[in-house]
Amino acid sequence: GQNIDQPTEMTATEGAIVQINCTYQTSGFNGLFWYQQHAGEAPTFLSYNVLDGLEEKGRFSSFLSRSKGYSYLLLKELQMKDSASYLCAVRDSNYQLIWGAGTKLIIKP
Amino acid sequence: DAMVIQNPRYQVTQFGKPVTLSCSQTLNHNVMYWYQQKSSQAPKLLFHYYDKDFNNEADTPDNFQSRRPNTSFCFLDIRSPGLGDAAMYLCATSREAGGPDTQYFGPGTRLTVL
Repeated sequence: GQNIDQPTEMTATEGAIVQINCTYQTSGFNGLFWYQQHAGEAPTFLSYNVLDGLEEKGRFSSFLSRSKGYSYLLLKELQMKDSASYLCAVRDSNYQLIWGAGTKLIIKP
Repeated sequence: DAMVIQNPRYQVTQFGKPVTLSCSQTLNHNVMYWYQQKSSQAPKLLFHYYDKDFNNEADTPDNFQSRRPNTSFCFLDIRSPGLGDAAMYLCATSREAGGPDTQYFGPGTRLTVL
């Protein structure tokens, strides 16, 4: 079966750096997405990786290793508003998005 | 601003009473999706349309139906809601189904079943 694994919850301190890992086993690979979802709201797009390496976008970066079935989202200079769930999703060979359950990130002052 | 709109934001229905959720988009995207998301769980794809071509996920219950009368609108009909259908229902769109095209989500409709 297809599977996306992420930690359920992480805690970090305002101003610090946090890395959220995602491992996947899917039928084929056509890109990996990270979304941010605040409680009670819809997911919003953060990043897309299809080739190995690091994609940087402001305070957020996302890394992909296709051979390892692994990605991480790196958040720098954490702010209180970054408290949210972060969902990893992989597009499989049928171009369907397979979603992880999300990592709830708690930011403490 | 181009966007994905869902109405209503909150819907309360009674056990077994049919309910319809609506989604509209001004992005002129070809693909529209309906997801069900329960608390602390991954979004679960129910259906998607590529233009007028309807694609039903194998494990979507028959209780859930969908209509896309035109490019802009898509509806989710729950014929006989059960307590287990209480969830957030998310509509999303994408320009195409592959490549770097991301999915854009509406704000969601939170369904409560009494």
